[in-house]
Amino acid sequence: NAGVTQTPKFQVLKTGQSMTLQCAQDMNHEYMSWYRQDPGMGLRLIHYSVGAGITDQGEVPNGYNVSRSTTEDFPLRLLSAAPSQTSVYFCASSYSTRDYGYTFGSGTRLTVV
Amino acid sequence: RKEVEQDPGPFNVPEGATVAFNCTYSNSASQSFFWYRQDCRKEPKLLMSVYSSGNEDGRFTAQLNRASQYISLLIRDSKLSDSATYLCVAEAAGNKLTFGGGTRVLVKP
Repeated sequence: NAGVTQTPKFQVLKTGQSMTLQCAQDMNHEYMSWYRQDPGMGLRLIHYSVGAGITDQGEVPNGYNVSRSTTEDFPLRLLSAAPSQTSVYFCASSYSTRDYGYTFGSGTRLTVV
Repeated sequence: RKEVEQDPGPFNVPEGATVAFNCTYSNSASQSFFWYRQDCRKEPKLLMSVYSSGNEDGRFTAQLNRASQYISLLIRDSKLSDSATYLCVAEAAGNKLTFGGGTRVLVKP
């Protein structure tokens, strides 16, 4: 069982570039989310999904897009990278967030210069 | 006001001592609560769920106080390996989980 797999682990982007952070889980979890974590701050929810074809915005969605075409994959797209998007991004999944909380991927460290 | 608030610490704890810290939440409708542990530059990992009646897992005890809207975590017989940041989590509307900023614990010999 691979759990939640995020790629890449590290990325440097130039301002204005776009990219997709990949997230895949092999646990057949319906719930998936993307969080960002900045120094001195907790994890902030970007987007989340309660199943294939269903996504919704979290606390800080601006500048990011998501889609959920399959249960397994939940990619996060940065449309036009800005230095304010320099952060650590975590993808998480759950069978039931209410009952089991989230299992997290190992994170993607993104620097926008 | 943040939905979930924690004392950032650090709590400096002698090895073998007991440490306890709280977390307050603002959404009175929250039904589910968790404690996560996060080591430096690593992903958060679930430590334990928090049940209404309180629950214990080895040296760790979690309590929920709905009237005052806080949860607590107590660590007994602290080990050096307990040094980490502890994240409090409350369920928000729509099955979303809201994280606190974390409480840093440093266990020293």
